[in-house]
Amino acid sequence: GQNIDQPTEMTATEGAIVQINCTYQTSGFNGLFWYQQHAGEAPTFLSYNVLDGLEEKGRFSSFLSRSKGYSYLLLKELQMKDSASYLCAVRDDYGQNFVFGPGTRLSVLP
Amino acid sequence: DAMVIQNPRYQVTQFGKPVTLSCSQTLNHNVMYWYQQKSSQAPKLLFHYYDKDFNNEADTPDNFQSRRPNTSFCFLDIRSPGLGDAAMYLCATKGPRGTDTQYFGPGTRLTVL
Repeated sequence: GQNIDQPTEMTATEGAIVQINCTYQTSGFNGLFWYQQHAGEAPTFLSYNVLDGLEEKGRFSSFLSRSKGYSYLLLKELQMKDSASYLCAVRDDYGQNFVFGPGTRLSVLP
Repeated sequence: DAMVIQNPRYQVTQFGKPVTLSCSQTLNHNVMYWYQQKSSQAPKLLFHYYDKDFNNEADTPDNFQSRRPNTSFCFLDIRSPGLGDAAMYLCATKGPRGTDTQYFGPGTRLTVL
């Protein structure tokens, strides 16, 4: 079966750091993706991990531990515009199908 | 420059009246996807095409059909929309490499009256 879990909601303060966790149990694995989705808009690609470790892209970093079925997205120097849903998605062994988690709705407060 | 285009952005239909949503892409990607996303939920994959090969998810209702006449275009047909089919419908594309990410269109929000 396919199961991806994320916290439903998180709140943080402008300028702070927030970590959004994702745990997964999937029948196959060929990479984990993080997407940002603003209300009423399409998801946009943020970050991708296929090997264990940390990937850094500016204010956003993503970490993966395949043995633990665990990933996190780290957002630094939070800005108001970072208020959005953050979706974790696992790609299957063949590299074509993506299974999405329920998303974490992040609210950044002034 | 728009890469994945969906038309219309908002569609209103009546219960039971067939509706077609369209998606086009300028990326020349060979994989195209249709997702259904309801409010505050994850996108749910309905089906995808790898070139002309159609792949239907096991739990996609028969009410949903798709056509891909060429590389650039893909259509989602809902034969008899029910109230439960009101959702955002997202089209996405991906290149042929296993390492490629998906690119999403802006979505079509479907309302069923």
